[in-house]
Amino acid sequence: GQSLEQPSEVTAVEGAIVQINCTYQTSGFYGLSWYQQHDGGAPTFLSYNALDGLEETGRFSSFLSRSDSYGYLLLQELQMKDSASYFCAAANQAGTALIFGKGTTLSVSS
Amino acid sequence: KAGVTQTPRYLIKTRGQQVTLSCSPISGHRSVSWYQQTPGQGLQFLFEYFSETQRNKGNFPGRFSGRQFSNSRSEMNVSTLELGDSALYLCASSRGPNQPQHFGDGTRLSIL
Repeated sequence: GQSLEQPSEVTAVEGAIVQINCTYQTSGFYGLSWYQQHDGGAPTFLSYNALDGLEETGRFSSFLSRSDSYGYLLLQELQMKDSASYFCAAANQAGTALIFGKGTTLSVSS
Repeated sequence: KAGVTQTPRYLIKTRGQQVTLSCSPISGHRSVSWYQQTPGQGLQFLFEYFSETQRNKGNFPGRFSGRQFSNSRSEMNVSTLELGDSALYLCASSRGPNQPQHFGDGTRLSIL
């Protein structure tokens, strides 16, 4: 079946760096997207990797390796407000997220 | 600039009824996608529309349908509601291919 696997929980302290991994097994894979969702809120787009390599956007970076069916989201200089759920998603050729991982709950403490 | 607007925000229905949810995308966005989010199944893709055409469809029964109008606004309909349809239904819009998707706050549907 088609699936994306990511850790269910990650904890870290303010100022630290955390990496959330995502391994996937899907057909028709075109790229990997990452979303953030705070409790009770809507998902917010973070990044999209259509090509192998690293994409950097401020404190957040995302990486994709198609040969390893693997990607990760890297969050640097963690802040309390980064406490949220993070989802990886396999996207189609239009960049539309079609299959989501179960989400990783990140808890940042002081 | 207004974000993605979903109406209603909350809805309570009973089994067997049908429901229509509405989504107004960000101005200029032509792609609209719908998702269902539940604690057990997580986020699941329902369908994607672009220029009034359904471009992709997820693995949901035929009770779930949608459409997009010429102004890019979209509706989804669920008929013969079941208890398991209780969920947060999210709509996302994007300007076009490989552009970020912007989500609305969702419609929380509860089935009694």
